[in-house]
Amino acid sequence: DIVMTQSPDSLAVSLGERATINCKSSQSVLYSSNNKNYLGWYQQKPGQPPKVLIYWASTRESGVPDRFSGSGSGTDFTLTISSLQAEDVAVYYCQQYYSTPPGFGQGTKVEIK
Amino acid sequence: QVQLQESGPGLVKPSQTLSLTCTVSGDSISSGTYYWSWIRQPAGQGLEWIGRIYTSGSTNYNPSLKSRVTISVDTSKNQFSLKLSSVTAADTAVYYCARSGMVATDYFDYWGQGTLVTVSS
Repeated sequence: DIVMTQSPDSLAVSLGERATINCKSSQSVLYSSNNKNYLGWYQQKPGQPPKVLIYWASTRESGVPDRFSGSGSGTDFTLTISSLQAEDVAVYYCQQYYSTPPGFGQGTKVEIK
Repeated sequence: QVQLQESGPGLVKPSQTLSLTCTVSGDSISSGTYYWSWIRQPAGQGLEWIGRIYTSGSTNYNPSLKSRVTISVDTSKNQFSLKLSSVTAADTAVYYCARSGMVATDYFDYWGQGTLVTVSS
């Protein structure tokens, strides 16, 4: 199984400041035949299911604000919130869908400083 | 708009079988385009994929749970179901059903609201 590890476990950021979450996979999730990274990001607020943010490591889902961006390739990925808003307080998960079983990181809790 | 809704008992006794159903609306399970999965989340913890089913009835399960899991589909009711046998307290979690396949086999674009299942005598 591919193990996904996120860092940090939590972070507190001032409103309007940048939040950066890292995700590392135990093996590459880059599929050479199509040059796509099989990596997604989800946002989960309390009492709600996860909500899709980004797929193919850097493609924003429709309707997701452009302050959210994803980057990285192979085994190392980053989710950046460029200017944190109050409604961004949540737990964020990365997920690999390169191989079965699909696996999630342990989550990163983002709070307001 | 696609919607998924989990249903089933909220309390299951240890050693018994957990049974949940996911009802899909706004999309046809029998369309053959998507995969339908179960994912769980213990309180305050991360997400664990349990398994998936395709319209044809073909299934894939997480090896960590494979011996105890059965996922089935009822296209006439636009539902799919989860059975998890020999449950223990460690199976207490919020159980989600989810759709995937639009982007990739296991990228989950629609989720149910989740249902809490507690294993306790």
